[in-house]
Amino acid sequence: AIQLTQSPSSLSASVGDRVTITCRASQGITNALAWYQQKPGQPPNLLIYGASTLKTGVPSRFGGSGSGTDFTLTIASLQPEDLATYYCQQYDTFPPITFGGGTRVQV
Amino acid sequence: HVQLVQSEAEVKKPGASVKVFCAASGYSFTDYYIHWVRQAPGQGPEWMGWINPKRGDTNYAPNFQGRVTMTRDAYINTAYMEIRRVRDDDTATYYCARDSAWGSRNWYFDVWGSGTQITVSS
Repeated sequence: AIQLTQSPSSLSASVGDRVTITCRASQGITNALAWYQQKPGQPPNLLIYGASTLKTGVPSRFGGSGSGTDFTLTIASLQPEDLATYYCQQYDTFPPITFGGGTRVQV
Repeated sequence: HVQLVQSEAEVKKPGASVKVFCAASGYSFTDYYIHWVRQAPGQGPEWMGWINPKRGDTNYAPNFQGRVTMTRDAYINTAYMEIRRVRDDDTATYYCARDSAWGSRNWYFDVWGSGTQITVSS
């Protein structure tokens, strides 16, 4: 199975900061990567698919980039409501679909 | 309003079986695949498999082959996931999630259920 390694595992930032989260795949996955946001006590919420395509309704401060093995989720200007854990998910090679271990963002 | 409503939390003893339901509303149930994903406390999600609500065909992740069964009742727009011979490490929140593709699979999930907490304890 493809392993996804996220870094950092947690971070603390201030409102207005630019935040970058990385996701590295154990082998190339082209651009078959999604990002989810999970707030405490809630299910994951899809933000980005195809590595860089924003789901309709997701604020434009969120952005995704990368291909192959290295991917990035960027929050251009952190807002208080962005407090959450963020997960990447690959869907290039399956079964199984796999998720990263998560990055907890504290504001 | 598209939503997936799941069954309530359960506590099971090791070796028991547990069946979780996922009731869909607000869209055509048979047009979107349903996936099951679980999340142990403090861990990342773990994909378990999918079911095609139209035909009932399924595919399971290797870790769950032989112990998990996914079914559906298209008449009441409900999917089910049963785990047999539960163990302590099956303690997790179990989610159903809708595939984002109409009639096919994109393999990422745009609608999630609220989750069902399953606790395995003797």
